[in-house]
Amino acid sequence: EDQVTQSPEALRLQEGESSSLNCSYTVSGLRGLFWYRQDPGKGPEFLFTLYSAGEEKEKERLKATLTKKESFLHITAPKPEDSATYLCAVQATNSGYALNFGKGTSLLVTP
Amino acid sequence: GAGVSQSPSNKVTEKGKDVELRCDPISGHTALYWYRQSLGQGLEFLIYFQGNSAPDKSGLPSDRFSAERTGGSVSTLTIQRTQQEDSAVYLCASSSKGQPQHFGDGTRLSIL
Repeated sequence: EDQVTQSPEALRLQEGESSSLNCSYTVSGLRGLFWYRQDPGKGPEFLFTLYSAGEEKEKERLKATLTKKESFLHITAPKPEDSATYLCAVQATNSGYALNFGKGTSLLVTP
Repeated sequence: GAGVSQSPSNKVTEKGKDVELRCDPISGHTALYWYRQSLGQGLEFLIYFQGNSAPDKSGLPSDRFSAERTGGSVSTLTIQRTQQEDSAVYLCASSSKGQPQHFGDGTRLSIL
């Protein structure tokens, strides 16, 4: 059975304090791994898609990486506006195009 | 608007009533998805429509749940005889084939 586990559940950082969020997954065949950001009361906002081990994507202070078992979302010098819940999801080759989500990491960046 | 639109944004109803939730996808997107987000849980896939193909209903939790997509655009998710465990945020997403899914802001459903 496909599984997605995110850690930590919650993370508190000082502004400028870099860190990484982890997404561990098991899937029979990976079509893609997705990172989303979700603000309170809003729907998930797409950040990145990664398709194969070794791939990396960057956007502003965020960088996503992928291995065969996990993905990391690195946050460099975060700002308070980066506070949100970050969701990881996998799309498996044997389950159509539905996304299987982890429970997310709630990030709080304080000034 | 350019994004996925869902209505109503909030819905409060009594246990046993039927509810209909609406999703208006991004224009031109052929794929439409429904997910459910319960407190403390991850997003849970419900149903997927792709063009004129038969929908993938594998995520629907019971036969009280059904969905339609008319004219390849707007979709309605119907929950019959609502139960308290149906309380959740219902999220709709759409995509072009092979592209990332883009989500609406959801309908927050509360069953009294």
